Amino acid sequence: QVQLVQSGAEVKKPGASVKVSCKASGYTFTGYYIHWVRQAPGQGLEWMGWINPDTGGANYAQKFRGRVTMTRYATITTAFMELSSLTSDDTAVYFCAREMSYYYYGLDVWGQGTTVTVSS
Amino acid sequence: DIVMTQSPLSLPVTPGEPASISCSSSQSLLHNNGNNYVDWYLQKPGQSPQLLIYLGSNRASGVPDRFSGSGSGTDFTLKIRRVEAEDVGIYYCMQALQTRTFGQGTKLEIK
Repeated sequence: QVQLVQSGAEVKKPGASVKVSCKASGYTFTGYYIHWVRQAPGQGLEWMGWINPDTGGANYAQKFRGRVTMTRYATITTAFMELSSLTSDDTAVYFCAREMSYYYYGLDVWGQGTTVTVSS
Repeated sequence: DIVMTQSPLSLPVTPGEPASISCSSSQSLLHNNGNNYVDWYLQKPGQSPQLLIYLGSNRASGVPDRFSGSGSGTDFTLKIRRVEAEDVGIYYCMQALQTRTFGQGTKLEIK
């Protein structure tokens, strides 16, 4: 079945980087963009950016430009989100979600979320 | 950036009664292709968000027909015809016209 499976929880120190993976299965990986959305504890959803797995092109929210890098390895149908210079404000659950590239049907499949804790 | 504003932020509802959530955008979400680029998502407690409605009024696969979306331009509404206990969670609107922006969320609870 169609699913996005994310990597496990991470604990990082301030100033470090974190790299979260999102493994896609059950569909054509290059036919759907992968979005990254995060949710701080008790807060709402915050969009971070997306990557086109076909071309590797990415578009980041202004807030994260310079600190976030989204990549993919199409051969293993996996997308990655790396966030650097972490602070306690980056403590959140990070979700990946897919969006069809040639017609808009919304973000129809989501990963289970990866908890990232930034603490000294 | 387009700002999305939801109301109310808290919505207590009696089972079997209807519910309505509003979402307004700081800019028109009507594309020149005729579609309104707004979605609705539900995040049930402890779960990932799930898509309910895309392009303003299209129900996603498997979504019960008690959910409906309407509106155009800058004002949108999600309606639940008869609320059930399983509808508890936080509802978000999201604009997809320019990058993506979510509303603050509306917490639906059962009275």
